[in-house]
Amino acid sequence: AQSVTQLDSQVPVFEEAPVELRCNYSSSVSVYLFWYVQYPNQGLQLLLKYLSGSTLVKGINGFEAEFNKSQTSFHLRKPSVHISDTAEYFCAVSDAFNTGKLIFGQGTTLQVKP
Amino acid sequence: KAGVTQTPRYLIKTRGQQVTLSCSPISGHRSVSWYQQTPGQGLQFLFEYFSETQRNKGNFPGRFSGRQFSNSRSEMNVSTLELGDSALYLCASTPGEGLNTQYFGPGTRLTVL
Repeated sequence: AQSVTQLDSQVPVFEEAPVELRCNYSSSVSVYLFWYVQYPNQGLQLLLKYLSGSTLVKGINGFEAEFNKSQTSFHLRKPSVHISDTAEYFCAVSDAFNTGKLIFGQGTTLQVKP
Repeated sequence: KAGVTQTPRYLIKTRGQQVTLSCSPISGHRSVSWYQQTPGQGLQFLFEYFSETQRNKGNFPGRFSGRQFSNSRSEMNVSTLELGDSALYLCASTPGEGLNTQYFGPGTRLTVL
């Protein structure tokens, strides 16, 4: 069985500061990893994904994440956040045989303060 | 291409009733997955349909069911509603084969009174 742990439920940060949202996963098979963002009263928007290849993945809105197989982590980073980045962020995993089934972490609320 | 659409966006029901939610995938996508989002349990996978067949199923009671039509549109039904079924129900679509990314709709907010 797979599981995802997002280590911080809330992350407050000042505007223009860097941020890291942490995600660890467990799985007995090869996985695909995703980060989604959810703004209030909206669905989920894909930020970035890791399927294979380079372990550093770049996404939309200046976000990037690094896949670390030995530490089973997929942390999300942004060098300088904006007020508009305030939202809930979800890390998710699927295996190669069940890409229609995502297992999500509990989410991290990013609060960007002016 | 138009994105994933879900109808209705908001719904209020009372305990014991049943409800049907609809999801129209991105054109050309053949797989539709459903998720339940609640503050306490987070995002949980309900089921996936591909080419009108259920391909994956999560750990939900039999009151939760779904189906998919030949045009890939999907419906989800919840019978005998309970207060705990109040949630945001999200659907997502993918092409269905190979390496896929799920694209989500805006969700249906169900409130059970």
